[in-house]
Amino acid sequence: DAGVIQSPRHEVTEMGQEVTLRCKPISGHNSLFWYRQTMMRGLELLIYFNNNVPIDDSGMPEDRFSAKMPNASFSTLKIQPSEPRDSAVYFCASRRRVATNEKLFFGSGTQLSVL
Amino acid sequence: AQKITQTQPGMFVQEKEAVTLDCTYDTSDPSYGLFWYKQPSSGEMIFLIYQGSYDQQNATEGRYSLNFQKARKSANLVISASQLGDSAMYFCAMRETSKTYGGSQGNLIFGKGTKLSVKP
Repeated sequence: DAGVIQSPRHEVTEMGQEVTLRCKPISGHNSLFWYRQTMMRGLELLIYFNNNVPIDDSGMPEDRFSAKMPNASFSTLKIQPSEPRDSAVYFCASRRRVATNEKLFFGSGTQLSVL
Repeated sequence: AQKITQTQPGMFVQEKEAVTLDCTYDTSDPSYGLFWYKQPSSGEMIFLIYQGSYDQQNATEGRYSLNFQKARKSANLVISASQLGDSAMYFCAMRETSKTYGGSQGNLIFGKGTKLSVKP
């Protein structure tokens, strides 16, 4: 299995630009999560999809952030316009099913730097 | 209040020795799951071990074991015979069953992590 695939691995952009992060979950997994990791706040959930439907987006910081999952094998997280405080590592994770003991499989993350 | 507390920002251990990484949690849900993940300097998050709140025995996975003390709400990770490759950040996480099928669909709540450094 290829695992969760994220792209790009690194993104450097200027303030005000649009940024799009991409994720391909593991085939057969029906849940997808977007997390953000910073030194100050640790790992925070941004949004969660189940069967391609957004279930919980309460972690999305503001309207500048949006996420889509048009099909079971692809999701995007978009930031428009980007700001320096958005600089962080963004992780995508997938899960096979909804259960207490079901672990999350993480992608390698996207290191975002907004100058 | 923090749901997951990892009180050790950094730890050192000598190669081949055992080390315990602390994790305490806060929940009123009688059913929950506890996870440990490793994050090496390369950045990926690697699942290590899982403990269910109703599991009768402490979880073990190779050199990793979980010292689960339910009454104290602690789930410490024990790494035996440390290796240089164990140097990494370690995160404790919890999922509450009451939220697993609700709106949050069982989001994993993570602690702030412990940075483990293994000395040769």
